[in-house]
Amino acid sequence: QSALTQPASVSGSPGQSITISCTGSSNDVGGYNSVSWYQQHPGKAPKLMIYEVSNRPSGVSNRFSGSKSGNTASLTISGLQAEDEADYFCSSYTFNSWLFGGGTKLTVL
Amino acid sequence: QVQLVQSGAEVAKPGASVKVSCKASGYTFNGYIIHWVRQGPVHGLEWMGWVNPDSGAINYAPKFQDRVTMTRDTSMTTAHMELSGLRSDDTAVYYCTREDGHNGRFDYWGQGSLVTVSS
Repeated sequence: QSALTQPASVSGSPGQSITISCTGSSNDVGGYNSVSWYQQHPGKAPKLMIYEVSNRPSGVSNRFSGSKSGNTASLTISGLQAEDEADYFCSSYTFNSWLFGGGTKLTVL
Repeated sequence: QVQLVQSGAEVAKPGASVKVSCKASGYTFNGYIIHWVRQGPVHGLEWMGWVNPDSGAINYAPKFQDRVTMTRDTSMTTAHMELSGLRSDDTAVYYCTREDGHNGRFDYWGQGSLVTVSS
C-alpha cells in the first residue's frame, strides 16, 4: 500500500487561508469517511486536528476545517497564525490497516 | 488527564530486537485500542499495528507481520511493542497512540521513543 500523496510544502502570510490536499484512491480516502489530519511541531508528537473528514476535537480552533471530494481530502486553515507553522499529515483507513500521507510543511511567511 | 508515557531511547545492533513500552494513565486502559506508529527519515509515518488491551487481540500491518509483537499488561496499564530482526532502516521514532472509537481518531499520543539501529 502506498502512502497518501500530499504536497511537500505550502506557505501563506498571516491572516490568509491555505489548503493542503491528501490524495489516495477508492480503496482508502475515497472509500471511507475515516480521514484524519494531524499537526506536528518539531520534536513533538502528532496532534489530532480533524477526524472523520471534517470533525474537530474539543479544543481545536475553528480556523481548521476538513473536507473530502472523491479520492482527495483537504485541510483548510483560515486566518493563518505564526503558531500554525508545522508539519501536517493526513491518514486514512484502508483494508484493515491505516495509511499516512508523506506530510506537508506549512510555512507562515 | 490522559497520558501515554513511553520508555526511553534505545540503541540496538542490526539483527537484534527492541521492546518499547507505553504506560497509560488517566482513563480506562481496557476501553481503547492502542496503535503503534513509527516515523523515520526514509518512510515517514508508518502504521505498524494495534493491540486491544481488553481482549489482547492484535492486528499487524503486513509489512511488519513477521517481525513485530504487540502485547499488553492490564495490571500495569502498559502496552508493549517488540520489533525483531532490526535493520538500519528501522531507525525511527516509535509512537503509541490511543484510538477513540473505531474510525482512526488517534486522540492521544505518547512522547515517542527513538530507536537507533547501528553496528
